[in-house]
Amino acid sequence: ETGVTQTPRHLVMGMTNKKSLKCEQHLGHNAMYWYKQSAKKPLELMFVYSLEERVENNSVPSRFSPECPNSSHLFLHLHTLQPEDSALYLCASSQDTPQDREATDTQYFGPGTRLTVL
Amino acid sequence: GESVGLHLPTLSVQEGDNSIINCAYSNSASDYFIWYKQESGKGPQFIIDIRSNMDKRQGQRVTVLLNKTVKHLSLQIAATQPGDSAVYFCAENSPYGQNFVFGPGTRLSVLP
Repeated sequence: ETGVTQTPRHLVMGMTNKKSLKCEQHLGHNAMYWYKQSAKKPLELMFVYSLEERVENNSVPSRFSPECPNSSHLFLHLHTLQPEDSALYLCASSQDTPQDREATDTQYFGPGTRLTVL
Repeated sequence: GESVGLHLPTLSVQEGDNSIINCAYSNSASDYFIWYKQESGKGPQFIIDIRSNMDKRQGQRVTVLLNKTVKHLSLQIAATQPGDSAVYFCAENSPYGQNFVFGPGTRLSVLP
């Protein structure tokens, strides 16, 4: 166990559905991340939150909408997704905010949500 | 641009042998590197890290070597065990953004 949990572990949705992925970290970290992992690409960073503020958004389509209500929880709201959005969505957290480059930046990952868009 | 790549997408080793997984990185300004292990159905798990002011770092059965001259990173696993079967990712701390750039991963298969 890494101290980062994600729910649900598996999700199947249609293109017109709206769903949300949830991530919770029990490590007291200040930064949280959403990544997309598909079969043929390296891990792709989607969003970064530092102290509940979004600090990076890597040109992610607006059909993905993150929310960070507090430093322990991170959501990814999904709507009108496409089949190519099917992937493993990973949440991670790190102790230090990304701006603190002198500190150890190790990220701890959750188990991921396997998303299938029909 | 930034990129982290792996030389070998797959690696098969006999149980008990040593494994070496390689990684090339493109940005000479990167100063922190991590190796992750990802087992089937799980998220990436931290294995070992190294800063650019070091050439070598050892953990339990694992050693990471950093060659800044050729921008090369390797992970050595001693006495490879069946439980080591997984995909291994290297990641560099990007000096241009605030986060890591991950390589595509190498699948390690341990043969009985």
